[in-house]
Formats: sequence, structure tokens, C-alpha cells
Amino acid sequence: QVQVVESGGGVVQPGGSLRLSCAASGFTFSDYGMHWVRQAPGKGLEWVSFIRYDGSYKSYGDSVKGRFTISRDDSKNTLSLHMNSLRAEDTALYYCAKDRDDIGFLDYWGQGTLVTVSS
Amino acid sequence: DIQMTQSPSTLSASVGDRVTITCRASQSISSWVAWYQQKPGKAPKLLIYKASSLESGVPSRFSGSGSGTEFTLTISSLQPDDFATYYCQQYNSFSGYTFGQGTKLEIK
Repeated sequence: QVQVVESGGGVVQPGGSLRLSCAASGFTFSDYGMHWVRQAPGKGLEWVSFIRYDGSYKSYGDSVKGRFTISRDDSKNTLSLHMNSLRAEDTALYYCAKDRDDIGFLDYWGQGTLVTVSS
Repeated sequence: DIQMTQSPSTLSASVGDRVTITCRASQSISSWVAWYQQKPGKAPKLLIYKASSLESGVPSRFSGSGSGTEFTLTISSLQPDDFATYYCQQYNSFSGYTFGQGTKLEIK
């Protein structure tokens, strides 16, 4: 069955960096676009980033543009999110999610990895 | 950027009630809207895509409608398992996607 499992979260100081990973299984990873979505404690969902199935296009939410970089390694069925210049407002549960056919809606989600930015 | 304004933010209802949640887009997005259900401590679950297409395995009491800028999610007869938070999402363009603020559906 389709599974996506996030890892790499933790506590980081403001201005620091962190790399999140998402291990995918149960589907042909290289055929699908992938997303990162985050949720601050007690708040709603915020879309963070998207990468097309072939890596040819990447997009970012305004709040992370220029600081976060999405990438994929199809040989390892892994999605990554490199986060730089972290701020307190980046504190959130980060979800990895599979796109349905590069269309833009998310049909499978992981359970999330928690990032806390605090001194 | 396209904004999605979801209402109400909280909705109190009883088992068996019919409820409707609305999302308004800041510009026309055709039918590129999805709806998700999220329960506490869990990941969101896809319910509806392309405004009105029911995801496989989702009960038929859930339905979606709308196009352009106004969209609705309707639950025809609330069941105990339906009390959760619901989000709309627009996917009009690769350049950016947006979620609504969420609607918490509570037991009256």
C-alpha cells in the first residue's frame, strides 16, 4: 500500500538549518509530483512546496521562498526539504504528501515530522 | 496569489443534520478545488477533488459542488465519525496552492 514517512524534524535555533526527508513506498515514486505541507500547533494547513514528477518544476509558498529548497532522489524514492534561515514562525508539523498525477491535490499523506525553532 | 476564504470557522451540529461548508476563491479557479477531513492528531484525508468528484472509499453522504469562485462541501446526514476539521484547497496552478482556514465541525 502507498506509504510516505517523514523524518528529520527536531529542535533548531533561529537562523539555523534543517533537512527533512520523506521515504515513499507502495507506488512508482518517479511518476508522481510531491508536496510539503505544514501545520503550526493549533493552526490550519499551509502549503509549503511542490516538485513535479520529473523534478522539472518546483514551487514554494511566499513565506518560505528563498529559504527552503525541495528536491527528490528517484533512485532512493526519497523527497527532501532543505530549510535555511529558520524562524520561530516555521515551527510546525511538516507533512509530506503525494500528488494525484501532478494535478495538484494530495491523495496520500504521511504522519508528519515536527520542527521546533527556538533558542 | 489566490486566497481561499472558508466559512464558517466553527459549526455546531447534531447527528443526522445536513451541513454545508463554503469556500470562496479570490479569483476564478474553474473546478480546481479539493476538500480534506482532519481529525485530531491525524493527517488530513482527501474527500473530494475537482470540486465534486468523490474520492474512492469516501461515504456518499459527502458531496461537493461549485465552480468559478464559490464552492461547497455538504454532508447530507452527519454521523458521529464526521466530527472533525474540514479544509478546502485550490490547485489552479503549479505556481502555488492554498488551503482555506478550516472549519471545525462540533457536536451540538
